[in-house]
Amino acid sequence: NAGVTQTPKFRILKIGQSMTLQCAQDMNHNYMYWYRQDPGMGLKLIYYSVGAGITDKGEVPNGYNVSRSTTEDFPLRLELAAPSQTSVYFCASSYSNNQQYFGPGTRLTVT
Amino acid sequence: GQQVMQIPQYQHVQEGEDFTTYCNSSTTLSNIQWYKQRPGGHPVFLIQLVKSGEVKKQKRLTFQFGEAKKNSSLHITATQTTDVGTYFCAGPPNFGNEKLTFGTGTRLTIIP
Repeated sequence: NAGVTQTPKFRILKIGQSMTLQCAQDMNHNYMYWYRQDPGMGLKLIYYSVGAGITDKGEVPNGYNVSRSTTEDFPLRLELAAPSQTSVYFCASSYSNNQQYFGPGTRLTVT
Repeated sequence: GQQVMQIPQYQHVQEGEDFTTYCNSSTTLSNIQWYKQRPGGHPVFLIQLVKSGEVKKQKRLTFQFGEAKKNSSLHITATQTTDVGTYFCAGPPNFGNEKLTFGTGTRLTIIP
């Protein structure tokens, strides 16, 4: 099992550009999550999904969108990137609200 | 909304000393989970506690869940350089809640 995979590992965006962060898991987990982690800080929940076709906002959803068309994939879309979105983005999956498995992260810089 | 605070925010210890981080939630938790994040890495699950007053051990690590299920602690005995990282607690506010609220984290550094 590959676990949770994320692409890309690194990305530099210019202000106003858009991009999609990819996340996939092969553990057949129903729950998936997107977090952001600013330098030296904790994890903030952006969006989450409890199953295909179901998504909900977390603590900091503004400026992001998600979709969940399959159990395996949970892409995060950034529209009109802003410097405040410079962060490390982690995708995670779990079975119910138990142990979460995290991907390696995407380091995004917006300049 | 639910808030989960951890103290201390930072801890520097000499190798071989003990270390404890405390986790306090503003609401009752259905379970408490602990994660470790190495510098530059991603959070990795350590353990989950479910029962009031539960204590679990993993080698030099001892985890405790409070009687009221609103607080928890992680104690490391005789720290080693491999213990370096940030320790986060996390918990859902009630049974069946899909979201985990992560604590603010405690960053542990070891002085060799």
